[in-house]
Amino acid sequence: QVQLVESGGGVVQPGGSLRLSCAASGFTFSSYGMHWVRQAPGKGLEWVAFIRYDGSNKYYADSVKGRFTISRDNSKNTLYLQMNSLRAEDTAVYYCAKDLIRSATSAGYMDVWGKGTTVTVSS
Amino acid sequence: DIQMTQSPSSVSASVGDRVTITCRASQGISSWLAWYQQKPGKAPKLLIYAASSLQSGVPSRFSGSGSGTDFTLTISSLQPEDFATYYCQQANSFPPLTFGGGTKVEIK
Repeated sequence: QVQLVESGGGVVQPGGSLRLSCAASGFTFSSYGMHWVRQAPGKGLEWVAFIRYDGSNKYYADSVKGRFTISRDNSKNTLYLQMNSLRAEDTAVYYCAKDLIRSATSAGYMDVWGKGTTVTVSS
Repeated sequence: DIQMTQSPSSVSASVGDRVTITCRASQGISSWLAWYQQKPGKAPKLLIYAASSLQSGVPSRFSGSGSGTDFTLTISSLQPEDFATYYCQQANSFPPLTFGGGTKVEIK
């Protein structure tokens, strides 16, 4: 079945770094754009980043631009989020999500989500 | 960035009730709107995309309508498994994608 499994979350000090991974299975990973979305404790959803199916285009929320890098390895069916210069406000559950439509551009809708991995930024 | 405003922020309803949630965009987004359902401790689930298209496997009691700036999600007959938080999300102006603040549907 179609599945996304995140890993790599944990507790990190402010200013530190973390790399999240998202392992995909059950679909042709290399044909779909992928997103990261986060949710701070008790708060709503915040879109973080998107990468095109072939990795050629990447987009970021202003809140993470210059600090986070989205990437993918289609040979490993894996999505990544490299997070640097972490701040307390980055504390959240991070979800990876698959774009709805198999196309060159993003439909902007997310039809498959992982269960999330928790990132806590605290001293 | 396009701001998405949901109302109400919470609603109390009983099983069998008809529930309507509203989402307003700060500027026109045509029909580029999705609705998600999220239960506590779980990932969001796509219910509706393109304002009114029902995602595969989603019960037909869920429906979406609207275009431009005003949208609604309707649950025609609330079921016990529908108690959750619902989010709208615009996909017209990307990046960024933006979500509404959420509407919590609670048991009356």
